[in-house]
Amino acid sequence: DAGITQSPRHKVTETGTPVTLRCHQTENHRYMYWYRQDPGHGLRLIHYSYGVKDTDKGEVSDGYSVSRSKTEDFLLTLESATSSQTSVYFCATKGAGAEEKLFFGSGTQLSVL
Amino acid sequence: GQQVMQIPQYQHVQEGEDFTTYCNSSTTLSNIQWYKQRPGGHPVFLIQLVKSGEVKKQKRLTFQFGEAKKNSSLHITATQTTDVGTYFCAGPRGSGSRLTFGEGTQLTVNP
Repeated sequence: DAGITQSPRHKVTETGTPVTLRCHQTENHRYMYWYRQDPGHGLRLIHYSYGVKDTDKGEVSDGYSVSRSKTEDFLLTLESATSSQTSVYFCATKGAGAEEKLFFGSGTQLSVL
Repeated sequence: GQQVMQIPQYQHVQEGEDFTTYCNSSTTLSNIQWYKQRPGGHPVFLIQLVKSGEVKKQKRLTFQFGEAKKNSSLHITATQTTDVGTYFCAGPRGSGSRLTFGEGTQLTVNP
């Protein structure tokens, strides 16, 4: 598996507080993604990045922002967490090559109380 | 927008039985990918299909891409307890740098 590290692995926070999740990769992959996983919804794309400082919205981007100041780091920020953002968050990367497969991190379980 | 629908949502089988999950897209796909997620784990890439009508096999797993490149299936022959998990299909969206995932099929295997 690609070297993708997500931190923290688990977090409990209160409604209205800011939260930042970090994704770090050691593969020098160009593309990085943040997905959330909820029962019955599969994996839904929040934001993605196609290079340093180049990001774009996914299908469920409201309430989230991202930043990518270095190739290896992709941060997901919940400016003011809500209970509907309780979820498992996965970071993924994609490198170059004919197979456009994604490599996933181990996920962050976020609970917003 | 493009949607990828996957059925069934859940499947319970006895060990040794076969299993199939189906994936349908509202639009033609340039390729389709399949991933497996073990309970408590993260999705792991299984395979990518690119050509119309393509069939690929990985041991007991057979993957098919439809002639119209709008549907796909994953068939597991003689399931084992190690097959337990959720299977997702995914298709590229827009320029192709984004993937849209189906809702997944959760497979449980009774020994």
